[in-house]
Amino acid sequence: GNSVTQMEGPVTLSEEAFLTINCTYTATGYPSLFWYVQYPGEGLQLLLKATKADDKGSNKGFEATYRKETTSFHLEKGSVQVSDSAVYFCALLIKAAGNKLTFGGGTRVLVKP
Amino acid sequence: EAGVVQSPRYKIIEKKQPVAFWCNPISGHNTLYWYRQNLGQGPELLIRYENEEAVDDSQLPKDRFSAERLKGVDSTLKIQPAELGDSAVYLCASSLGGLAGRDEQFFGPGTRLTVL
Repeated sequence: GNSVTQMEGPVTLSEEAFLTINCTYTATGYPSLFWYVQYPGEGLQLLLKATKADDKGSNKGFEATYRKETTSFHLEKGSVQVSDSAVYFCALLIKAAGNKLTFGGGTRVLVKP
Repeated sequence: EAGVVQSPRYKIIEKKQPVAFWCNPISGHNTLYWYRQNLGQGPELLIRYENEEAVDDSQLPKDRFSAERLKGVDSTLKIQPAELGDSAVYLCASSLGGLAGRDEQFFGPGTRLTVL
């Protein structure tokens, strides 16, 4: 089956620190990969995505590269802000499997001033 | 443009009671999804609609859960009777659907259900 594993949180950082959240996946097929973010009290928002191997998704200073050889899609940001405090979800989608998003368990990130 | 609208935002009920959630997707979005998010976990798909047709309900516990999308727009998800283990956040999402590349899912804020 399809599954996503991401590092457990919480991850606590100081402002301007470097953030990495690891994400690996298993999939029967060729998935598209996503990072969603959930700010406190809000719904899930798409942060970035990549649809094929070696693609790099980027948005708001966050980046993730689709690594087929290591089945990974790690999220990085070079300098975090307090406003980046949220829960981050890695997810995969296989169109042939009906566009169902399969999510990881989420990683809570807390950025302190 | 309005996003996905869900109501209520919060619901507290006693076990064995019925409960219903409502979702209004983004205008023009043909595909609608219901997910359940347990505390500390990622969302899991319950059912997916293409217009008014439920095309994937394999994860919907059909003994107590039901859903409908009668006119291919709004949708309701019902639980009857609710059990303690149904406490979760119920998320609705929508996407344009149809042609390839129109599958980005937009999520509503969710309904947080607490069953006592």
